[in-house]
Amino acid sequence: SYVVTQAPSVSVAPGQTAKITCGGDNIGSDNVHWYQQKPGQAPVLVIYYDSDRPAGIPERFSGSNSGDTATLTISRVEAGDEGDYYCQVWDFNGDTFVFGTGTRVTVL
Amino acid sequence: QVQLQESGPGLVKPSETLSLTCTVSGASISNYYWSWVRQPPGKGLEWIGFVYHSGITNYNASLQSRVTISVDTSKNHFSLRLTSMTAADAAIYYCARVWKGRASYFLDYWGQGALVTVSS
Repeated sequence: SYVVTQAPSVSVAPGQTAKITCGGDNIGSDNVHWYQQKPGQAPVLVIYYDSDRPAGIPERFSGSNSGDTATLTISRVEAGDEGDYYCQVWDFNGDTFVFGTGTRVTVL
Repeated sequence: QVQLQESGPGLVKPSETLSLTCTVSGASISNYYWSWVRQPPGKGLEWIGFVYHSGITNYNASLQSRVTISVDTSKNHFSLRLTSMTAADAAIYYCARVWKGRASYFLDYWGQGALVTVSS
């Protein structure tokens, strides 16, 4: 089955840029979606189709995908951006959703 | 505005069956695919499966022998049934809407989640 990997944690100072990566074999040929999960809350879609933002998601959130790595970038990080971030792909071979292991973002 | 709300017992005995319902408002259940996702305490997200109003289903292979997802269009809700529950099934269970688009699927609206404990 398709496996996507994420670093367990990322720490960033307020106002700086956080980069959260999602690794997978030739993931650049897939569409990657990203979810933000704040403590005690349900996940929220923040990026879909690699780089599109749903309505209401700040422009500070952006995404890219190439080669073996997809990246979620959070610019001008704020305290409210703390939480867990999950990447997700649809595995057509297995007909299944595949979630990454999640990255905890800590704002210093 | 699309809203989803899970309901069902928060406590299930070992070996018994979990039954949860997700009530949808702000969208017709007939127009989309609908999914269940779970998250054990302190762990990541695990996809359980999805259903279409026609009855088409797709399940996580690791749970396929124990899971049933069904839809009731008259009530605009869909349901999860998971048999032979064990401590490993304790989790927050989320329902979500599936966006089935060009070359991929993702989950665009989520319920708030239902905490399920497994204990005698």
